Amino acid sequence: SAVISQKPSRDICQRGTSLTIQCQVDSQVTMMFWYRQQPGQSLTLIATANQGSEATYESGFVIDKFPISRPNLTFSTLTVSNMSPEDSSIYLCSVARQGKETQYFGPGTRLLVL
Amino acid sequence: GQQLNQSPQSMFIQEGEDVSMNCTSSSIFNTWLWYKQDPGEGPVLLIALYKAGELTSNGRLTAQFGITRKDSFLNISASIPSDVGIYFCAGHTGNQFYFGTGTSLTVIP
Repeated sequence: SAVISQKPSRDICQRGTSLTIQCQVDSQVTMMFWYRQQPGQSLTLIATANQGSEATYESGFVIDKFPISRPNLTFSTLTVSNMSPEDSSIYLCSVARQGKETQYFGPGTRLLVL
Repeated sequence: GQQLNQSPQSMFIQEGEDVSMNCTSSSIFNTWLWYKQDPGEGPVLLIALYKAGELTSNGRLTAQFGITRKDSFLNISASIPSDVGIYFCAGHTGNQFYFGTGTSLTVIP
């Protein structure tokens, strides 16, 4: 398993601003992912955070809106840029190790955009 | 991306009853995972299944990897109030994870 922490745990932001969410893992992991979960919905993959290279984004998500960094094998950030109320959601970081196709999730960041 | 068909969408049961939920897909998966999400928390892994036909238990929870590799089920025996939450299935194939739509479980004391 893996112990994953996210900061902040929640935030209320004004329209047009940006928020950077941090994800820290207690051990080195191969793969890190960022998900969005809207109230009452399932998980939607935003992107895979690649160490040392640009993130791989899913259809409907772009780097200008959701820039991602992954400077090492234990840390990643997701920025939600130029926020609007539609960005209000839970943002989840998750990790997986190659060879064991099991994914572990962080506690999430609850974002409300006014 | 692809989503798995998870049923039922919601369940209301009496404490002490057994629960069964399942997940189906049109694609073959190499791994099936079951998660529970409490309100305000991230999903927590309950059971991971890696082989077709595998039956695995975790306390009162039992899950099986379907023999066709296109489905999985999760059973909860003798439900208790803290079983309340949303249960998600997930399948892994290639380098992709796919998630079910979730089953919301309410346990009535």
